[in-house]
Amino acid sequence: GAVVSQHPSWVICKSGTSVKIECRSLDFQATTMFWYRQFPKQSLMLMATSNEGSKATYEQGVEKDKFLINHASLTLSTLTVTSAHPEDSSFYICSARRTGGPLETQYFGPGTRLLVL
Amino acid sequence: QKEVEQDPGPLSVPEGAIVSLNCTYSNSAFQYFMWYRQYSRKGPELLMYTYSSGNKEDGRFTAQVDKSSKYISLFIRDSQPSDSATYLCAMKTGNNRKLIWGLGTSLAVNP
Repeated sequence: GAVVSQHPSWVICKSGTSVKIECRSLDFQATTMFWYRQFPKQSLMLMATSNEGSKATYEQGVEKDKFLINHASLTLSTLTVTSAHPEDSSFYICSARRTGGPLETQYFGPGTRLLVL
Repeated sequence: QKEVEQDPGPLSVPEGAIVSLNCTYSNSAFQYFMWYRQYSRKGPELLMYTYSSGNKEDGRFTAQVDKSSKYISLFIRDSQPSDSATYLCAMKTGNNRKLIWGLGTSLAVNP
């Protein structure tokens, strides 16, 4: 159990377009999901915490108007990169905390590789 | 000083070796300690988690936490080429959902 999927797994887009990434918990409910970004040979950088039915909490330095997060149900959170630019190219990974589960357990999706030309 | 320090390696060992991976931290409020394994171009996979101090064993993996020294370790016995990956430590306080991550250690197990 505890499977998290992401879609798409990779995307190439033109500069200025918007890209939506979906994160789904397939076999459990998640009131809290997390969005990370990871650059090559670097650790995970938390971008925001997504809570079902409420606004996301963004980390310092992350533009909320650029990275739109919607957590519309207990199994789905979306991240939309608006007006993408080449510097937004990165590996985006979501994780989900099982509702009622131990606070320490986050299950990660396989990641989405974004390339902005 | 970073809250969590982890040597990025790379670490290269022969098949069958015992591998020791470590992280140090500065925040004494951390209570939950995790080890994740990340294969190239994949999301991290939870390997072990430990609450407070002590040891935890799962198959070939043993996690140790020494809160007095602010030091955590992951041991891999009888290492296999399939263990080749990046190993990330992560930790959190009791009332904060945010994980604080180490940089990750790249491990290569050579057949």
